[in-house]
Amino acid sequence: EAGVTQFPSHSVIEKGQTVTLRCDPISGHDNLYWYRRVMGKEIKFLLHFVKESKQDESGMPNNRFLAERTGGTYSTLKVQPAELEDSGVYFCASSPYRGAEQETQYFGPGTRLLVL
Amino acid sequence: QKEVEQNSGPLSVPEGAIASLNCTYSDRGSQSFFWYRQYSGKSPELIMSIYSNGDKEDGRFTAQLNKASQYVSLLIRDSQPSDSATYLCAVYIGNDYKLSFGAGTTVTVRA
Repeated sequence: EAGVTQFPSHSVIEKGQTVTLRCDPISGHDNLYWYRRVMGKEIKFLLHFVKESKQDESGMPNNRFLAERTGGTYSTLKVQPAELEDSGVYFCASSPYRGAEQETQYFGPGTRLLVL
Repeated sequence: QKEVEQNSGPLSVPEGAIASLNCTYSDRGSQSFFWYRQYSGKSPELIMSIYSNGDKEDGRFTAQLNKASQYVSLLIRDSQPSDSATYLCAVYIGNDYKLSFGAGTTVTVRA
């Protein structure tokens, strides 16, 4: 079974540009999460989808970040316009179903974003 | 106060020794606890989950949970060079479906 995949693995952009990150969850997983780790800090939650619906976006830093999950399969996270403080590693995770609090989240390899 | 705190690293242990990693959490109502291992540039990989007080063993790994003390630990027995990685403690806080992570402890096993 394929794991969570993310694209691109690395992205270097200039301040003010737009970047779109993609996540493909494990097939059949309804829950999809985005997390971010900035330099020297803990991994922090950004948002949670159940199928195509946003369940919790309390971790989104500001309105420059837009996440979508059309069709309830893959998800994109767009940063527009990118700022220097957006640099970090963006992780995607997925889990099988909602309702079981103890479910394990499976993580992708992350996208390393550097804003210059 | 941080939601999840881990003992500061890095931690260096000789091959064959026991590596001990500690984690405390702030929410007394938390029920689910996870240890992830992350090699440099790779995805966090689940190595242990624990939900009940006491010990849980899986191969060379033992997780220990004490909800009264809000403390969870991970022991790695017979440490191998391949265990060299960053270990992340993660907890579901409250009734949310989001994980809170500690900063991670980097372990180096010396051959």
